[in-house]
Amino acid sequence: DAKTTQPPSMDCAEGRAANLPCNHSTISGNEYVYWYRQIHSQGPQYIIHGLKNNETNEMASLIITEDRKSSTLILPHATLRDTAVYYCIVNDYKLSFGAGTTVTVRA
Amino acid sequence: NAGVTQTPKFQVLKTGQSMTLQCAQDMNHNSMYWYRQDPGMGLRLIYYSASEGTTDKGEVPNGYNVSRLNKREFSLRLESAAPSQTSVYFCASSEGISAPTQYFGPGTRLTVL
Repeated sequence: DAKTTQPPSMDCAEGRAANLPCNHSTISGNEYVYWYRQIHSQGPQYIIHGLKNNETNEMASLIITEDRKSSTLILPHATLRDTAVYYCIVNDYKLSFGAGTTVTVRA
Repeated sequence: NAGVTQTPKFQVLKTGQSMTLQCAQDMNHNSMYWYRQDPGMGLRLIYYSASEGTTDKGEVPNGYNVSRLNKREFSLRLESAAPSQTSVYFCASSEGISAPTQYFGPGTRLTVL
């Protein structure tokens, strides 16, 4: 059973913010939301994670709704190097990668 | 620091052959993982090792065996390769089993003919 739902693809203009949505309506109280990305068949790269509060690091921001049923990953100023498949994961340590969202940043 | 390294990078096997994929990490992490990724799909967990001396099955363990040789090394063995095991194999490590961040290796691209 898929625990998250993400759009299969999205485009973004270079220099603009990219907002990646994720639905996780069956999330339980102790489950975190993780975001990873995979650039061109390389190994996945951790981006950010959160439980209830919004989080920000040098790569991105994570906005989690109050009911925790959905979240949004924000890349504040997308670059061509941000073109990748982005995975939203809700789980414990057994990361379960779905199909993710293929993000294409265009010049 | 090299992070997580995997050998070999590429491998072609014939059906029925055996081989071992090697993984090593130099971050002093306690937990290590093996995933496979089929074309156009996400990663699926094969086996993991929460700490040295322990191993557990993941989502798709059939046809594989693992060995946590020491804290640094975690190997994946295919005893009798099948075409369905054609995939890209990724090893990962984390500080502990509940640590939020897993660090991935570059992958091994395996083709079974």
